[in-house]
Amino acid sequence: NAGVMQNPRHLVRRRGQEARLRCSPMKGHSHVYWYRQLPEEGLKFMVYLQKENIIDESGMPKERFSAEFPKEGPSILRIQQVVRGDSAAYFCASSPPSRSSYGYTFGSGTRLTVV
Amino acid sequence: AQTVTQSQPEMSVQEAETVTLSCTYDTSESDYYLFWYKQPPSRQMILVIRQEAYKQQNATENRFSVNFQKAAKSFSLKISDSQLGDAAMYFCAYRSPGGGADGLTFGKGTHLIIQP
Repeated sequence: NAGVMQNPRHLVRRRGQEARLRCSPMKGHSHVYWYRQLPEEGLKFMVYLQKENIIDESGMPKERFSAEFPKEGPSILRIQQVVRGDSAAYFCASSPPSRSSYGYTFGSGTRLTVV
Repeated sequence: AQTVTQSQPEMSVQEAETVTLSCTYDTSESDYYLFWYKQPPSRQMILVIRQEAYKQQNATENRFSVNFQKAAKSFSLKISDSQLGDAAMYFCAYRSPGGGADGLTFGKGTHLIIQP
């Protein structure tokens, strides 16, 4: 049973380009969460999605950032017109449908570098 | 909003010794979940141990145990018989029991160094 798969592992973008980060949850998991980790910081919650629904996007910047989790395929975190401040590690986590006291399963993250 | 504080940016311990990492949190909720995650240089976030706030008994997973003090809002992690493979960043995290928001709130982390 593969874990949470994120790709790419590393992504370099020039300022103004678009970044697309992909996350395939664990088999049987229908809840996906995105987190951002800045250098020397803990992870910060961005958005929580279920299939075809955004449940909570309270941690997502209002502009340039969007996320989706389509009926088929991986969840996508999209950052338009990237700026240097977007450079960070972006983590995806997934959990099963039932509310659980267990922590989520995290992917290995995508390190985005904006040059 | 909940906050999680880890007051030790870095800790160092001799191999085979015991080390305790501190975590405090602030919440007005009575029921919640607490977690410790380990992040080695590979960047993978690995769940170490979890605690439900309604349980008085402290959680234990092999060499890892917690000291959960609900009234003091404290959730420290004790690592016994430290091994070189324990070297990593350790993050304490809080999760609400319900409602729309389902995300984890993390502390800033403690960098654990194991000296051979």
